[in-house]
Amino acid sequence: NAGVTQTPKFRVLKTGQSMTLLCAQDMNHEYMYWYRQDPGMGLRLIHYSVGEGTTAKGEVPDGYNVSRLKKQNFLLGLESAAPSQTSVYFCASSYDRGYGYTFGSGTRLTVV
Amino acid sequence: LAKTTQPISMDSYEGQEVNITCSHNNIATNDYITWYQQFPSQGPRFIIQGYKTKVTNEVASLFIPADRKSSTLSLPRVSLSDTAVYYCLVGDPVGELIFGQGTELSVKP
Repeated sequence: NAGVTQTPKFRVLKTGQSMTLLCAQDMNHEYMYWYRQDPGMGLRLIHYSVGEGTTAKGEVPDGYNVSRLKKQNFLLGLESAAPSQTSVYFCASSYDRGYGYTFGSGTRLTVV
Repeated sequence: LAKTTQPISMDSYEGQEVNITCSHNNIATNDYITWYQQFPSQGPRFIIQGYKTKVTNEVASLFIPADRKSSTLSLPRVSLSDTAVYYCLVGDPVGELIFGQGTELSVKP
């Protein structure tokens, strides 16, 4: 029962570096989402996808890009990391919008 | 998207019933109410979802009054392992869920 798998689990970046976070789900879900969570705050939606080949902006999309080339994978890219992007990133998927999201275990990213 | 308001924190003791109320005065006709639970260093976990009246599953019950402007998550006989943050979300099934700050529940022995 893999569910939603995020890689890597931890990463430290220097300001200006780039990286890609990978989210993979094996539930054949159409919808996938990227959230970030900062201390003392709830989750904020970065980008989401309603199907293979589609992406859309969420609440806080600036500084991030995403791609959904395959249905099971949703990639989150940081082109030029900034300290403000230090956060825990969660990926989620669902078979329908707004219903029964399954979350990954998160990626803890520190930008120094 | 309807905004939700819930208490920042709550305390309880093992064996008690815990009720967490969420206000959502601007809920729309198509909106569903969903609750998630999050433990430290983990992603949120779906608990329960409802549209109106009462929904019950093996984990919790969700009570929604007729006007749907609020909802109450009820956790029967909590244990220490129920210590977590609980999020109330309101959203259209064809829209995206927005998480608020949640309610931090602390269960004491």
